[in-house]
Order: sequence, then structure tokens, then C-alpha cells
Amino acid sequence: EDQVTQSPEALRLQEGESSSLNCSYTVSGLRGLFWYRQDPGKGPEFLFTLYSAGEEKEKERLKATLTKKESFLHITAPKPEDSATYLCAVQGGYSSASKIIFGSGTRLSIRP
Amino acid sequence: DVKVTQSSRYLVKRTGEKVFLECVQDMDHENMFWYRQDPGLGLRLIYFSYDVKMKEKGDIPEGYSVSREKKERFSLILESASTNQTSMYLCASSLLASGGPSNTGELFFGEGSRLTVL
Repeated sequence: EDQVTQSPEALRLQEGESSSLNCSYTVSGLRGLFWYRQDPGKGPEFLFTLYSAGEEKEKERLKATLTKKESFLHITAPKPEDSATYLCAVQGGYSSASKIIFGSGTRLSIRP
Repeated sequence: DVKVTQSSRYLVKRTGEKVFLECVQDMDHENMFWYRQDPGLGLRLIYFSYDVKMKEKGDIPEGYSVSREKKERFSLILESASTNQTSMYLCASSLLASGGPSNTGELFFGEGSRLTVL
């Protein structure tokens, strides 16, 4: 059964203190791994898609990496506006119609 | 700008009532999805649709039905609301093409509808 596990559940950092969020996954035939950001009371907003082990993508202070079993979202010198819940999702299987499975998210809080 | 609009941000209903949640997208996407989001459980897929009048069950379809009469509109129906259906409901759309080549897999989400069933 396809599964996505995110850790930690919550993370509090000081502004400027870099860290990483983890997403471990089990899937039959990875078609894509996705990262989303969700602000309170809003829908998730797309950040990245990663397709194969070794791939990396960057956007401002965020960098996503992928191995065969997990993905990391690295946050470099975060600012308070980076506070949000970060969701990881995977799409597996051998059809682009395969379902996308979400993890429970990591709630990130950056203190000024 | 791409947009997914959910008709109601907040609803309060009583047990046994019929509830309609409407979702409209303006991006001409083939695919639309309904998720519910609960603390500690993440987003769980209720139903999805790859074309007009087509629907597929997700992971938790019990107690729900859907309707897609037009490409841009996907409705979620709770035939008889129950307290365990109190949740945040999120609609999404994408260009994922059934049977076709993969694309970015990006889902565009609406703002969500928070439903409370008393």
C-alpha cells in the first residue's frame, strides 16, 4: 500500500536557523513526489515536483531533494513568512491517472 | 491567474440534512478532485473525475456522492450529513490526463469549505 510519512509533526525555529523537513514514502513505481505549502485557513499551494532519485529543485530559501525512499525540504535562513504547514505527496503506479497520496504535514513556525 | 472557487467557506448544518459543496475552475482542466482534511490525518481523497459525467471513488467515498455535468464544475453531495463529516473540504483541479503522458502533477486547490455538522 502506498504511504507517505512526514516528520517532524511540528518544528519551531529561530529566524535564520536552517533546518530540514523529512518525507518518507512507499510507493509502487514513483511517478512524482510533490511539495505543497499550506497557510492557515487556505488551500495548499504547489511548490515542487521531483521525478527521480538525485533530483533537486530550489525556490528562494527552499530546496527539495529526492532519494529512492525519502525527500527532504531544506529551509535555509528562514524568515517568519516561511511559517506554514508543508505537505508532501506522492503519485505512484503506472498510469497518470493514479491517485496522489498526501502526508499529514509538518507545521513550521519561525520566530523573529 | 488560475483559479479554483469553492462556493462556501463556512457551513453549519444539522445531522440528516443534505449538503451541496460546489467547486468551479476556470483553467479548462480535465481533472477535478474532492479531498477532506482532518488534523493528523492529512488530505484524504473522496472522489475524483477525469471527464464530464465521469467519476471515480477515492479512499473514503462512503457517505458522499459527486456530480460533474460541466467540465468546469464538480459538486460534492452529502446525502444525509453526520457529525463525523465535520471537516475541511478541499476541491482541486489538474491537467493530469488519464492514460496520457505525465505532466508536473500540480494540483490547484480552492480555499476550502469548512463544514460543521451539529
